[in-house]
Amino acid sequence: EDQVTQSPEALRLQEGESSSLNCSYTVSGLRGLFWYRQDPGKGPEFLFTLYSAGEEKEKERLKATLTKKESFLHITAPKPEDSATYLCAVASGGSYIPTFGRGTSLIVHP
Amino acid sequence: EPEVTQTPSHQVTQMGQEVILRCVPISNHLYFYWYRQILGQKVEFLVSFYNNEISEKSEIFDDQFSVERPDGSNFTLKIRSTKLEDSAMYFCASSELRAGQYFGPGTRLTVT
Repeated sequence: EDQVTQSPEALRLQEGESSSLNCSYTVSGLRGLFWYRQDPGKGPEFLFTLYSAGEEKEKERLKATLTKKESFLHITAPKPEDSATYLCAVASGGSYIPTFGRGTSLIVHP
Repeated sequence: EPEVTQTPSHQVTQMGQEVILRCVPISNHLYFYWYRQILGQKVEFLVSFYNNEISEKSEIFDDQFSVERPDGSNFTLKIRSTKLEDSAMYFCASSELRAGQYFGPGTRLTVT
């Protein structure tokens, strides 16, 4: 069973239509939850690290939040250039190595 | 802005051949990593490297794989005898602390 589950698998939005991506995790001893953006054929681009429930981080139109069971990546008034796959990863237990989810493919139409 | 670089961008090799993938991590980072991503699948951890030795490795990182930091800037992944199933994107990453890893653009390895 996956430790990190992202939903939805794919999301289509109109430009300006705000929405949220979900990352559910089933690990104990969370050391960190990470969000990345990945464009086709490129390496993941680091966005945020969250360490404890209640923590929030923001960057431009993106805001990441964390609870004890899940994290949300909120996208406010998205633009076409926000189109990408968004990856969630968690590190837990005695390891700082992140386990990645399958990602959410976001397409923002103009 | 500092970034991780990788060479080559694309490597084609025949089954059974040895390949070396090269990476230059961000200069002040202390932790180095290799990941792979088979087309359409998740990013998978291979190995982490700190203080000139392997700190963690996955089940994927078997005896056919090795890593080396031959000088103060390069970090390499060697695959001794490539198999068809080794075809994937290989990403190098580095971090200053044990979090927030910065990834390179990747090397696409095609084994024929």
